This record gives sequence, C-alpha cells and structure tokens, in this order.
Amino acid sequence: NAGVTQTPKFQVLKTGQSMTLQCAQDMNHEYMSWYRQDPGMGLRLIHYSVGAGITDQGEVPNGYNVSRSTTEDFPLRLLSAAPSQTSVYFCASRRGDSPLHFGNGTRLTVT
Amino acid sequence: AQTVTQSQPEMSVQEAETVTLSCTYDTSENNYYLFWYKQPPSRQMILVIRQEAYKQQNATENRFSVNFQKAAKSFSLKISDSQLGDTAMYFCAFMPSRGQNFVFGPGTRLSVLP
Repeated sequence: NAGVTQTPKFQVLKTGQSMTLQCAQDMNHEYMSWYRQDPGMGLRLIHYSVGAGITDQGEVPNGYNVSRSTTEDFPLRLLSAAPSQTSVYFCASRRGDSPLHFGNGTRLTVT
Repeated sequence: AQTVTQSQPEMSVQEAETVTLSCTYDTSENNYYLFWYKQPPSRQMILVIRQEAYKQQNATENRFSVNFQKAAKSFSLKISDSQLGDTAMYFCAFMPSRGQNFVFGPGTRLSVLP
C-alpha cells in the first residue's frame, strides 16, 4: 500500500516555465488537496477536490491549475512559474472525517 | 473563517523532560476535529494525535497527550519524556465536522537537547 505518492521530490524552474506536480493515492480517498508550506505561514491550501470531476479553489489558488479526472490522481500545474512560487508543496488526501494523509512533498525553486 | 494560532515559533527542551506546545483556534462551529502533526527534518508529515470536539476526554497517544479546553478554544500538546527523535516542526490543525478543509497553524519548531 503506497499511500500518497508525489513526484518529483525536487525541482528547479526558471521564471516563466511551466510544470506539473504529480500526486496519486491508492486508498480510494474521495478528498484530495494541495498545500504549499512557507516559513512562518504553516500550510496553506491551494486547491482541493471532493471527487472525480470536482475541483475548487483554496486560500492561495492564483498561478496554479488542477484537474481530477480519476479518483486516484490530482496533478497540480504551474502555468508560468514565478519566484514567489518557490516553496514546498504537499499533496494530501482523506476519506470522510479521517485525518489527512500526506505525500512526502516537493521542494520547488524558481529562479 | 477559522484561524489557528501557535504563539511559540521555537521551543527547546532537555531530553527526558516534559514540554507543552500551545495552540488556540477561532471558530463559530460547535462540532469539529483538532489534530497535531509532526514534521521531522525528513519533511514527512506525521499525525501525532487527534481530538473530536464533542469528546470531553483528552486524547492520549503514548508520550503525547493534549489539553483540550473547548470554551477557551485551546488545544495544547504535551510531550512527556522527550526524546531526540521528537525534534521537529509541530503543526496544530482544525477541521470543522461539516467542512472539507483543514486549517493549519504556523507551526512550532521544537528542539530536544541531549
């Protein structure tokens, strides 16, 4: 049982480049989400999904897109990377009122 | 909107001693869940403990226990017999029972000293 799998673990981008962070879970969780972690700010919600075909914005959605074509996958797309998007990104999922299960995170640097 | 506050950005404790991390939250909800997550240097997010607001009994998990004061909207984490492996960032989190999303505090960096 792999849980929540995030790739890549590290990524360096130049300003203006685009990329997709991958997230997959094998626990049949209906809820999936993306957070970014910045020093002193905790984890802030970017986008979330309550099921296949349904997505919604969180606290800091600008500059990011998501889609949920299957229950298992929830990729996060950076459309045109900016230095302000340098951060650690976490994908997390849960079912019902269970705690969030996290992936191992992606450290993204935008130069 | 719900908010979670952790007023101690950094703390340290001697090995084998006890330390308490504070967390307060603001909500108009009556039913909700509270969590403490640990993030060691490996960056992994690990669930430490969970509390349902409708339960008056404080949750415990081995050396970890909470002091849940619903009226004061306070949810502190006590770590007894601190170990070097407890060195980590600790995040307090809130989720309303009718809601979808977690709200996290800014975190407390705990260092356990030998």
